[in-house]
Amino acid sequence: GEDVEQSLFLSVREGDSSVINCTYTDSSSTYLYWYKQEPGAGLQLLTYIFSNMDMKQDQRLTVLLNKKDKHLSLRIADTQTGDSAIYFCAESIPSNAGKSTFGDGTTLTVKP
Amino acid sequence: DTAVSQTPKYLVTQMGNDKSIKCEQNLGHDTMYWYKQDSKKFLKIMFSYNNKELIINETVPNRFSPKSPDKAHLNLHINSLELGDSAVYFCASSLASGRAFYEQYFGPGTRLTVT
Repeated sequence: GEDVEQSLFLSVREGDSSVINCTYTDSSSTYLYWYKQEPGAGLQLLTYIFSNMDMKQDQRLTVLLNKKDKHLSLRIADTQTGDSAIYFCAESIPSNAGKSTFGDGTTLTVKP
Repeated sequence: DTAVSQTPKYLVTQMGNDKSIKCEQNLGHDTMYWYKQDSKKFLKIMFSYNNKELIINETVPNRFSPKSPDKAHLNLHINSLELGDSAVYFCASSLASGRAFYEQYFGPGTRLTVT
């Protein structure tokens, strides 16, 4: 079955880089996603990567995918206090009728 | 204009009561979801409807019953509320039919407190 795992907490200083890691088990995942949840709000899609890509860059965000190890990471460069949030990794599998499996979320705390 | 809306935003009720949470999306999406987020912020899918048909029904007590009157609405009715039902419930929607990529749009959440 599908399983997505993340470490639960990460704390960094403002201006440093943050790296949030995720592992997944289902090799038939076609897309992998990073969602951001700010306090008191719902989740919003931050970025995503197609499974035949190794890397995707979008401004301060870099997504790395190691398909062999089923490992996904999100790097945030020059982390700001506004980046403090919970980050969820998720995967989608074509046969899953629109169901995305979410990880448990990583709470990122950015200290000034 | 709100894409996915939920009402109410807060719901405080006593054990044993029956309550409903409503969800509406104006994005023209074909798939809607209910998620439960517990106090540790873990997110678990409960139900999913595609074109008004139930397609995902995770292990959820049968006190929880979703209803989709049309593609734009998915309501959640909970009978005989228990303390353990206290959580934030999120509705979401996506355009998923026949697609490998689908972004889910989440509502603002309904914080349910059972006393």
